[in-house]
Amino acid sequence: RKEVEQDPGPFNVPEGATVAFNCTYSNSASQSFFWYRQDCRKEPKLLMSVYSSGNEDGRFTAQLNRASQYISLLIRDSKLSDSATYLCVVERNRDDKIIFGKGTRLHILP
Amino acid sequence: ETGVTQSPTHLIKTRGQQVTLRCSSQSGHNTVSWYQQALGQGPQFIFQYYREEENGRGNFPPRFSGLQFPNYSSELNVNALELDDSALYLCASSLDSGRAPYNEQFFGPGTRLTVL
Repeated sequence: RKEVEQDPGPFNVPEGATVAFNCTYSNSASQSFFWYRQDCRKEPKLLMSVYSSGNEDGRFTAQLNRASQYISLLIRDSKLSDSATYLCVVERNRDDKIIFGKGTRLHILP
Repeated sequence: ETGVTQSPTHLIKTRGQQVTLRCSSQSGHNTVSWYQQALGQGPQFIFQYYREEENGRGNFPPRFSGLQFPNYSSELNVNALELDDSALYLCASSLDSGRAPYNEQFFGPGTRLTVL
């Protein structure tokens, strides 16, 4: 089983819709969780951190479920500019191993 | 713009050759991490340098090596290149305060390496 797994998609979603992605991780010692966004042929950029209590940044909501070992990202009122690949990132217990998922591709359709 | 620069932008090498990739970290950052991203995959962690010392390593063979300099810039060296080494190599810099478990990483634009 891979350490971090994501549905590769693509998710084809009409503009204005709500879309959700999940990411599962296998190592229960994982401490830190993040969502990065990567546009085509560009470098990844931090979208948001994920906390146990859940956190929201505008149209984006991230949640962590430690018991089931998954994190989620919800995008509300999707925009064309949200089209990108969303990478789930997990850092283990200060051994400095940072694991990226393969990413989920999102296409917002006009 | 993150302030992280990488050179060269693109590179073509042949099997068996050696390559050196360079990264200048964002001003004030003391940590540099290197990643390999194959087409259609997420970035894979190669290693991290903190204050000129290797501070963690992923599942890459010893022919992948690195350096960090006193100004915190870094090099990634790959010896005995193989076809599968063809990928985008990303460098990310961060400021490690030693307290937080993770510090936001700022990525450079990457170096695209093709091995023929």
